[in-house]
Amino acid sequence: DTGVSQDPRHKITKRGQNVTFRCDPISEHNRLYWYRQTLGQGPEFLTYFQNEAQLEKSRLLSDRFSAERPKGSFSTLEIQRTEQGDSAMYLCASSLGLAGSSYEQFFGPGTRLTVL
Amino acid sequence: AQSVTQLGSHVSVSEGALVLLRCNYSSSVPPYLFWYVQYPNQGLQLLLKYTSAATLVKGINGFEAEFKKSETSFHLTKPSAHMSDAAEYFCAVTRPGGTNAGKSTFGDGTTLTVKP
Repeated sequence: DTGVSQDPRHKITKRGQNVTFRCDPISEHNRLYWYRQTLGQGPEFLTYFQNEAQLEKSRLLSDRFSAERPKGSFSTLEIQRTEQGDSAMYLCASSLGLAGSSYEQFFGPGTRLTVL
Repeated sequence: AQSVTQLGSHVSVSEGALVLLRCNYSSSVPPYLFWYVQYPNQGLQLLLKYTSAATLVKGINGFEAEFKKSETSFHLTKPSAHMSDAAEYFCAVTRPGGTNAGKSTFGDGTTLTVKP
C-alpha cells in the first residue's frame, strides 16, 4: 500500500496561466475526492468521483476548474486562467465507496499552489 | 444538509494535561463521524472514526472520542498531552447512505498547542 500521492507538491504560477495537478489514489479505492484548503480553514469540498463517474461538483466551483478520472484510477484537476484567490492547498483523498463501508478517506500530502 | 462546528480555533494545554477538543455536528440522518490530524505541510491523517457501533471510540496516539446523540457532539480527548500532539485537528461528518453517501463535511479545525 503506497498511499495517496499527489504531484507536484508545490506549484508557483503567474496569474492567468493554466495549471494541472495529478492524484494517484490507493489502488483498490473506487472513490476519489478533491478538496481545497486555505490557511485557518478546513478542507472545502470541490468534487468527487466513483470510478470514472464524477458524482458531484461544488456549486462554489467556477467553470475555470475541471476534474477528470478517465480510467477510474488517477485523477487530474485543472485550473484555467488562475487568479490570486486560487492560491491554496489542494488535497486529494480516496476511499472505498461500497455500501456498508465506513467511507474512511485517506489523504495525499497535497499540492500547494501559489498564484503571483 | 450536514455541518460541523469546532468550538475554539485554538486550544493550549500544558504537557501532561488533559486535551479536550470540541466538535458539534448537524445532520439530517445518523452520521458517521471522524477526527483527523494535520501536521504542517502535510495531508490529513485519520485519528479515529464513529460508524454507529460503540459510542466511545478509541483511536491512535491515545486519543478517544464519545458520540453523544442527544448533544450532537463528538468531542476528542486525550488524558495526557505530549509535545508531539501539537497539530491541527479536524472533525468531519459523513453521510453513511443514500444520496451523497460518503461525502464529508469538515469543520474549520482546532490548532492544539502543547506547552512544556
